[in-house]
Amino acid sequence: EPEVTQTPSHQVTQMGQEVILRCVPISNHLYFYWYRQILGQKVEFLVSFYNNEISEKSEIFDDQFSVERPDGSNFTLKIRSTKLEDSAMYFCASAGQVMGTEAFFGQGTRLTVV
Amino acid sequence: DQQVKQNSPSLSVQEGRISILNCDYTNSMFDYFLWYKKYPAEGPTFLISISSIKDKNEDGRFTVFLNKSAKHLSLHIVPSQPGDSAVYFCAASDSGGGADGLTFGKGTHLIIQP
Repeated sequence: EPEVTQTPSHQVTQMGQEVILRCVPISNHLYFYWYRQILGQKVEFLVSFYNNEISEKSEIFDDQFSVERPDGSNFTLKIRSTKLEDSAMYFCASAGQVMGTEAFFGQGTRLTVV
Repeated sequence: DQQVKQNSPSLSVQEGRISILNCDYTNSMFDYFLWYKKYPAEGPTFLISISSIKDKNEDGRFTVFLNKSAKHLSLHIVPSQPGDSAVYFCAASDSGGGADGLTFGKGTHLIIQP
């Protein structure tokens, strides 16, 4: 069964450092997403990406965040200068089409900023 | 600002009985609703969805009911099985479907007791 894979499963970084979270979406999907879940809180939408550009982003997704699809398979989330409050589980998701199709989530990357 | 509310953080149900998980929303622009299930250390897994033009959708043991006038939806699981023990997230979209900017509830931890 096709699945979304994320690496690494756990990333520890020092405050102020840059991190790149990687995702391999399902191969024939066209829409890509990043969500995050701070411990004990709800899953929050960060950004959606289609046709090599951001289609929607939330207030959380400020200038320290960026996304990229550098090749045909990877989808990355970069956090430029990490802050303690960026510590969370980050979930990548992909969907085949927007209308009426659910998104498939990866297993998540736990980011810990120290 | 909780646009999607799951007021029960946890729910305990005996195996074989019906589990009913509830979700309320405030944004009348939401037109597509999804339920996701999440096990520890895994990403959310899509369960079932419903569009606002319907009031019921059924898939095996899972049925979702939508009451638009009350801005309320519920997930029924019958009969409940031990493997159903997980956190269940209600999510809503105002973009006609798919995962663009899904708004999640905080989740309900369902515990199925033998």
